[in-house]
Amino acid sequence: EAGVAQSPRYKIIEKRQSVAFWCNPISGHATLYWYQQILGQGPKLLIQFQNNGVVDDSQLPKDRFSAERLKGVDSTLKIQPAKLEDSAVYLCASSFWGESTDTQYFGPGTRLTVL
Amino acid sequence: GQNIDQPTEMTATEGAIVQINCTYQTSGFNGLFWYQQHAGEAPTFLSYNVLDGLEEKGRFSSFLSRSKGYSYLLLKELQMKDSASYLCAVRERGFKTIFGAGTRLFVKA
Repeated sequence: EAGVAQSPRYKIIEKRQSVAFWCNPISGHATLYWYQQILGQGPKLLIQFQNNGVVDDSQLPKDRFSAERLKGVDSTLKIQPAKLEDSAVYLCASSFWGESTDTQYFGPGTRLTVL
Repeated sequence: GQNIDQPTEMTATEGAIVQINCTYQTSGFNGLFWYQQHAGEAPTFLSYNVLDGLEEKGRFSSFLSRSKGYSYLLLKELQMKDSASYLCAVRERGFKTIFGAGTRLFVKA
């Protein structure tokens, strides 16, 4: 079974530029999550989708971050414009809604460096 | 509000046993996860507890006490490859999951 796919793996941009990340979850997983993980910290949830609907985006900085999951499968996360403090690893995870544990499976992440 | 506390770093010797503690405060508890994260890699699932007691899975065990807001991850027969960060994560009602900052475990020979 293929895991969660993310691209790109690394991205370096200058502040005020835009960047987009892509995620393809495990087949059949209805729930998709985007996390931001700053070095030395745990993952922080940015947005959670159930199919193509948003379940939780309370910690998403909506003035600069946006995310979509139009067809309920893959998803994109965009930052526009980027700030220095956005330097982090952006992790995508998915889970099978209805599983009792609702275990999240993570992709390899995208390491973003903002200069 | 939500709060998860775990030690920042721990060091243990190869072959030994180590216990990583996690305390939490949450408005509505719906399960606790432990994840392992090697440097530069994504977190991988280790264990899940929703009822009080001990869950054993090979060299790893996880314990939960809901009344105390407390969990621990027990690693036995430590191996060098166990050097990693261990993340405690609490799922709340509504299925939002909050992660702790993680405990960096160093296993020395």
